[in-house]
Amino acid sequence: AQKITQTQPGMFVQEKEAVTLDCTYDTSDPSYGLFWYKQPSSGEMIFLIYQGSYDQQNATEGRYSLNFQKARKSANLVISASQLGDSAMYFCAMREISSGSARQLTFGSGTQLTVLP
Amino acid sequence: NAGVTQTPKFRVLKTGQSMTLLCAQDMNHEYMYWYRQDPGMGLRLIHYSVGEGTTAKGEVPDGYNVSRLKKQNFLLGLESAAPSQTSVYFCASSYSPGLAGGTIQYFGAGTRLSVL
Repeated sequence: AQKITQTQPGMFVQEKEAVTLDCTYDTSDPSYGLFWYKQPSSGEMIFLIYQGSYDQQNATEGRYSLNFQKARKSANLVISASQLGDSAMYFCAMREISSGSARQLTFGSGTQLTVLP
Repeated sequence: NAGVTQTPKFRVLKTGQSMTLLCAQDMNHEYMYWYRQDPGMGLRLIHYSVGEGTTAKGEVPDGYNVSRLKKQNFLLGLESAAPSQTSVYFCASSYSPGLAGGTIQYFGAGTRLSVL
């Protein structure tokens, strides 16, 4: 079974508008971390935001926020006030703690976001 | 700040040739990883290391070997390249902090490998 599911292969958003990128996850581990990475066309992977399974509040980093709904096992990324430079592939990833998996990340298949002028 | 540096950035191999990809990090991280990224898929873990002199298999280890002789370097080897190994390879490194799940992995810029 897929551990990380990103159901939106591509998304379009108008510049200055907000956009939500979906991510659902599957784990039986009570302790886990959720990450979002951005991959622009240049290819590098850029860390954006992190949410721990025991964190009480949703994580925020500048224009990025993570809408964490634990019961639904979803960790959607919200980008506010989109900019042209936000056009990129976005990956959701998870690390399960209790399984002793040496902190390796499991990635979703990604969402290609295009910001329109 | 260099962070995680991968060499080379691009490489074309013929089937059966061998090569080594080098990953170097200057952040004193204990953990290092090699991933591959194929079209339409997220990154998949090939091998990883939890410290100098240790390595372990990830999700897709077949056809690859690794070595971690120095803490700052993690080498990925292809002994006999196959077209199925055409991919983009990413190296990453991380601390091993006590925070639950909060181990951010920092990535290199990637190596684009084509095997003909």
